[in-house]
Amino acid sequence: AQKITQTQPGMFVQEKEAVTLDCTYDTSDQSYGLFWYKQPSSGEMIFLIYQGSYDEQNATEGRYSLNFQKARKSANLVISASQLGDSAMYFCAMREGLIKAAGNKLTFGGGTRVLVKP
Amino acid sequence: DVKVTQSSRYLVKRTGEKVFLECVQDMDHENMFWYRQDPGLGLRLIYFSYDVKMKEKGDIPEGYSVSREKKERFSLILESASTNQTSMYLCASSRQGYNQPQHFGDGTRLSIL
Repeated sequence: AQKITQTQPGMFVQEKEAVTLDCTYDTSDQSYGLFWYKQPSSGEMIFLIYQGSYDEQNATEGRYSLNFQKARKSANLVISASQLGDSAMYFCAMREGLIKAAGNKLTFGGGTRVLVKP
Repeated sequence: DVKVTQSSRYLVKRTGEKVFLECVQDMDHENMFWYRQDPGLGLRLIYFSYDVKMKEKGDIPEGYSVSREKKERFSLILESASTNQTSMYLCASSRQGYNQPQHFGDGTRLSIL
C-alpha cells in the first residue's frame, strides 16, 4: 500500500489565487513528521514546510501553510496568492517513528505538478 | 546556507561500466541519502548513511552500493551499469533530529546507453 498518496497529478491555478495540494498518508506510528518540497523545472528540491504529528497548530511559512487533519491522515499544502514562480512539482513526504540511530529517512509521494497561469 | 554538491549534472555511460556518483555537503550533517527519481514514481530511496562508514539499504538498493569514508562525502556506485538505471539521481543530507529537513543537491541526470 502507498504510504504517501498525492491524488492530483497536475493542476492549473490562476495567478494571485490560492491553491490546495492534497496529501494523505498511512502510518501506524504515533510520532511522525510530514514535509513538503518544491521541485522547479531546474530540478533542485526545495524544502517548504514541516508538520510534526504532535504539533497542535498548523504549520505556516510565508505563503505556505499546512492544513493538517490528523484523524483523516491528511496534510494538504495551501499556497496563497500564487505567483508565476510557484509553477513546479510539489512533493509530500513522511518521516515515521522516533529518531534513533538510523537517520530520518523520508517516503515521498508521486508529486503534483502545478502550473500558474498569468 | 546548506550546500549539497553533486559532481556531475549530466552523465552518459555505457552498459557494464562501473559508475561513480559523488556527493559532498558542507554543513557537517550526520545523515546522507541517495535517491533516484523517475516520472510518476516520485523519489525512491536507494541507500542512506547516518554516520561515517555506516550505511543502510533503502527501498531499491539492488545494483547499487555506497561508500562514506568521510562525513562530508557520500558516493553512489553502480557496479555494472544497466539501461534500467537511466534516471535522475538526487543526493541529500540532513542533521539528526525528527524535524530536520533533508537538503538536496541539484541532481545528476544519468543515461546508460
